[in-house]
Amino acid sequence: EPEVTQTPSHQVTQMGQEVILRCVPISNHLYFYWYRQILGQKVEFLVSFYNNEISEKSEIFDDQFSVERPDGSNFTLKIRSTKLEDSAMYFCASNMGAYEQYFGPGTRLTVT
Amino acid sequence: AQSVSQHNHHVILSEAASLELGCNYSYGGTVNLFWYVQYPGQHLQLLLKYFSGDPLVKGIKGFEAEFIKSKFSFNLRKPSVQWSDTAEYFCAVRPNTGTASKLTFGTGTRLQVTL
Repeated sequence: EPEVTQTPSHQVTQMGQEVILRCVPISNHLYFYWYRQILGQKVEFLVSFYNNEISEKSEIFDDQFSVERPDGSNFTLKIRSTKLEDSAMYFCASNMGAYEQYFGPGTRLTVT
Repeated sequence: AQSVSQHNHHVILSEAASLELGCNYSYGGTVNLFWYVQYPGQHLQLLLKYFSGDPLVKGIKGFEAEFIKSKFSFNLRKPSVQWSDTAEYFCAVRPNTGTASKLTFGTGTRLQVTL
């Protein structure tokens, strides 16, 4: 069964550094999402992406964040200058639109 | 904007006990509803979903949920839990717009099943 993959599984970075989290959505999916889960809290929506542009973003997704689909398979989330409060599990998801979203295993980001 | 409430934060059950996890949502229009499960160290997996039709939906691993529109609820049930059901369970909602839209999650319920 096809699945969403994410790399790395764990990323440790220093405050102020840039990080790029990578995702490979399911190949025939058209819509892509990033969510995050701060430890002990609920899963929160960050951004959705369709047709090479952002379709919706949350208040969390400020100017420090950006997303890109650099080729036909990868979908990336970049955080330009990480803060301590960016430490969280970041989940990528994809779907065909009005169907359920399939989630990747997540990247645990630790900012020190 | 939509919101989801899961009232049970931590539930401990013995094997073979029955399970019901509450989920209530707030949204003015029609919705799609989901239950996702996250086993320890694993990613979110879809347990079941409601889009339309029969309000009683059956999912994987013997789980079911009932959509009660008048109560804005979508409670998850299982008649007899197993130790392997130990996991975190998330209810999620999104507007039924016919197109892709974000999921709004509840805070999750941690289920611990004891032998």
